[in-house]
Formats: sequence, structure tokens, C-alpha cells
Amino acid sequence: EDQVTQSPEALRLQEGESSSLNCSYTVSGLRGLFWYRQDPGKGPEFLFTLYSAGEEKEKERLKATLTKKESFLHITAPKPEDSATYLCAVQAAGGSARQLTFGSGTQLTVLP
Amino acid sequence: DAGVTQSPTHLIKTRGQHVTLRCSPISGHKSVSWYQQVLGQGPQFIFQYYEKEERGRGNFPDRFSARQFPNYSSELNVNALLLGDSALYLCASSGGTGNYNEQFFGPGTRLTVL
Repeated sequence: EDQVTQSPEALRLQEGESSSLNCSYTVSGLRGLFWYRQDPGKGPEFLFTLYSAGEEKEKERLKATLTKKESFLHITAPKPEDSATYLCAVQAAGGSARQLTFGSGTQLTVLP
Repeated sequence: DAGVTQSPTHLIKTRGQHVTLRCSPISGHKSVSWYQQVLGQGPQFIFQYYEKEERGRGNFPDRFSARQFPNYSSELNVNALLLGDSALYLCASSGGTGNYNEQFFGPGTRLTVL
């Protein structure tokens, strides 16, 4: 069974204080690993897709990396508007369905 | 371009009733997936449809059903509602430019069962 574990559950940072969020996964063959941002009461917003170990993707203050067992979302010099829940999901290879298995998320709060 | 749209935004039902939730995918996307998100947890997969055919089903009871229409919009139906069905129901579309891996979510329908 595919599993995704995110840590920490919650993280409070001062504005400008860089940090990393962790996503550990077990999957029977990885098709892709996905990062989403979710604001309260809204649907997840797509951020990145990573397909193979060693791959990195960047977008503004966010950088996602992937190894064979985990992914990190690095946040550099965060701003209060980066406050949100960050969700990690995996998609298993094989089969006709492209379902996503999500972790419980990391709730990030950036204080001004 | 319009993103994924879902209706209604909010819904209040009582136990035992049934509910129909609707989703319109991004223009050009042919696949729709449904997820249930309980407060404090990540979304959980319910169904995936592609070209009107069911491609995958998550671990949900038969009270949950769905279908996809020729215009690629979709409906999720839940019968005999239970208190535990209260959640945010998310629709995601995929298939733009042939990429069926990346899924883009709508704003969700908040269902409250009393």
C-alpha cells in the first residue's frame, strides 16, 4: 500500500527564516511525486511534479527536490503570504488509474 | 482560461439523504478525479474517470458513485448520507496536452451532514 508521511505537522517561521519540509514515501514504483499548496477552505494549488531521484524544480522562493525515499520542499526567505498547508502526493506507476496518495500536510505559518 | 469549477460551493444535508456534486474540468482535459478531504487530513481518492469510463476507484462504500458525461463534466453521487461523510469534496482534472499525471483541483464543495 502506498504511504506518504509529512513532517513536521506544523511549522512557524519568522519572515526571512528559511526552512525545509519533508515528505517520506513508500510506493510500488513511482510515477511521480507532486507538491501542492492549500489555503484554508480552498482546493489544492499545483506547485511541482518530480519524476526521478535527483530532480529539482524551483518556483520563486520554493525549491523541491527528490530522492528515492523522500522529497524536500525548501522555502527560502519566506514571506507571510507563503503561509498555507503544503501537501505532498505520490502517484504509483502501472495500472490505468492515475490516483494520488496524499500525506496529511505541513501547516506553515510565516510571521511578519 | 477557466479552471476547474464545482457546484454547489456549500451544501447542508441530513442523515439518510442523498447528494449530487458537479464538476466541470479545465477546457481540453478529458479526465476527472474525485477526492474527499476531511478536516486536518490530505485528500483521499474516490474515483477517476477518463473518456466516460471509470479508470480507478478508492476504498469507499457503494453508496458513492460517479459518472462522466460526453462533455467531460462529472457528477459524484452519495446515497444514504452518514455524519462521517461531512467533508470537502474535491474534483481534479487532467489530460491537458496529453499529460494525465498532473491533476488540477477545483475549489471544492463543502458538505455538512447533520
